[in-house]
Amino acid sequence: KQEVTQIPAALSVPEGENLVLNCSFTDSAIYNLQWFRQDPGKGLTSLLLIQSSQREQTSGRLNASLDKSSGRSTLYIAASQPGDSATYLCAVPPQGGSEKLVFGKGTKLTVNP
Amino acid sequence: SAVISQKPSRDICQRGTSLTIQCQVDSQVTMMFWYRQQPGQSLTLIATANQGSEATYESGFVIDKFPISRPNLTFSTLTVSNMSPEDSSIYLCSVEDVTSGLYEQYFGPGTRLTVT
Repeated sequence: KQEVTQIPAALSVPEGENLVLNCSFTDSAIYNLQWFRQDPGKGLTSLLLIQSSQREQTSGRLNASLDKSSGRSTLYIAASQPGDSATYLCAVPPQGGSEKLVFGKGTKLTVNP
Repeated sequence: SAVISQKPSRDICQRGTSLTIQCQVDSQVTMMFWYRQQPGQSLTLIATANQGSEATYESGFVIDKFPISRPNLTFSTLTVSNMSPEDSSIYLCSVEDVTSGLYEQYFGPGTRLTVT
């Protein structure tokens, strides 16, 4: 059974700092990995999707890496801003499937002005 | 990317009543998913809804409690029946975009349900 763990559970940083969020998963036979952002009481916004054949994916100040063999992904946020404050979730399909997602519990990020 | 809307965005309901949540997508999709997010928790899949067939429920979720309809390729409803305070959650629908070959999932804005 696929399990996803995110560390840390919460992170508070000053504005401008570069930061790394971690995600690990137990079954490396994944089809892809997605990073999402969730603002309080809201839905999820897809940030980045990394296919299993890729090592990393970039979008603006965000860079996600994937090491499938070790079951790890990191989300790097450069030059953090108060508007980046949100909960960040990573998710993978279980057992190599491409449909249902298994989510981590998320990292709650606070960027202080 | 798919654009998804949900109605209502939030509701406060009395225990014992039922609420139907609507999910509308701006493009035709084969599979739609319903998730629940209890307070302080991550997302848990309730069921997968394919057009023209019965929904497939995950362990711990049953059709009598969470009946789902999927009348066409752009619309689905989830009903939360005979509600109790434990049903207070955010309910989210999502779709999988297979057109790009990436199988990326997109989520609606969620329905915040409070049961008193």
